[in-house]
Amino acid sequence: TQLLEQSPQFLSIQEGENLTVYCNSSSVFSSLQWYRQEPGEGPVLLVTVVTGGEVKKLKRLTFQFGDARKDSSLHITAAQPGDTGLYLCAGARGNNRLAFGKGNQVVVIP
Amino acid sequence: GAGVSQSPRYKVAKRGQDVALRCDPISGHVSLFWYQQALGQGPEFLTYFQNEAQLDKSGLPSDRFFAERPEGSVSTLKIQRTQQEDSAVYLCASSFSGMHGDTQYFGPGTRLTVL
Repeated sequence: TQLLEQSPQFLSIQEGENLTVYCNSSSVFSSLQWYRQEPGEGPVLLVTVVTGGEVKKLKRLTFQFGDARKDSSLHITAAQPGDTGLYLCAGARGNNRLAFGKGNQVVVIP
Repeated sequence: GAGVSQSPRYKVAKRGQDVALRCDPISGHVSLFWYQQALGQGPEFLTYFQNEAQLDKSGLPSDRFFAERPEGSVSTLKIQRTQQEDSAVYLCASSFSGMHGDTQYFGPGTRLTVL
C-alpha cells in the first residue's frame, strides 16, 4: 500500500508551459520533501515543507503544503527542458525513514 | 566535496548467486539508509544505521538480505541466493545526524539485474 499517491504519473508538456503535480496521502506527516531524480542518479532534495499551508519557492518551482499536512503540490512556471525528471515526494516516518510516492515523470519538450 | 558513492554501479547476477553492494557515505555522517527502487516505483526503505548500530531493518524483504556497517562508515548490503524479483536499483543515503527532518543525501545507486 502506497502511503503517498502522486498524480499524474506521467506528464509531457511543451517548453514554456506551466504544470502542476500532486502528492496526496490519508496520513498526516510532520513534513514532506520533494526530490528530483534523473536517470542513473539518486534523488536530489529540492525542498522540505513543514507548516500546514506553507508555500516555498525555488526559482520557477512553487511548492505548497496542504493545511491539514496530508497533501502537497509542485507548480512549475514556464517549464524548461532542464526541468525534465522524476519528481518524488516523501514523508518522514519513525527513525527518519522516508516513505516515497511513485513519482511524477515530467518531460518538457523543446 | 565528495558525495555518497556506491559500487558497483551495475551488477548482473545469475539467479542463485550472492551479491554484495557497497556504500561510502559522506564523511562524518552518522546515519546511513538503504532503499530499493524497482522500475517505475519510488524508493522503498530497507534498513537504517546510526553509526555501526542497525536500528531498523523492518524493510528488508526476506532473510536473504543482510546489511552491515561494522565501523560506522562504509556499509555493505548483501543479497544471498538472488531471485529475479530482487532486480532493482539499490540506493544508499546518509545524513549528518539522522534526527527527524535531517536531509538525506543519496548516492547514484547500484542497478542489480538478476537473470
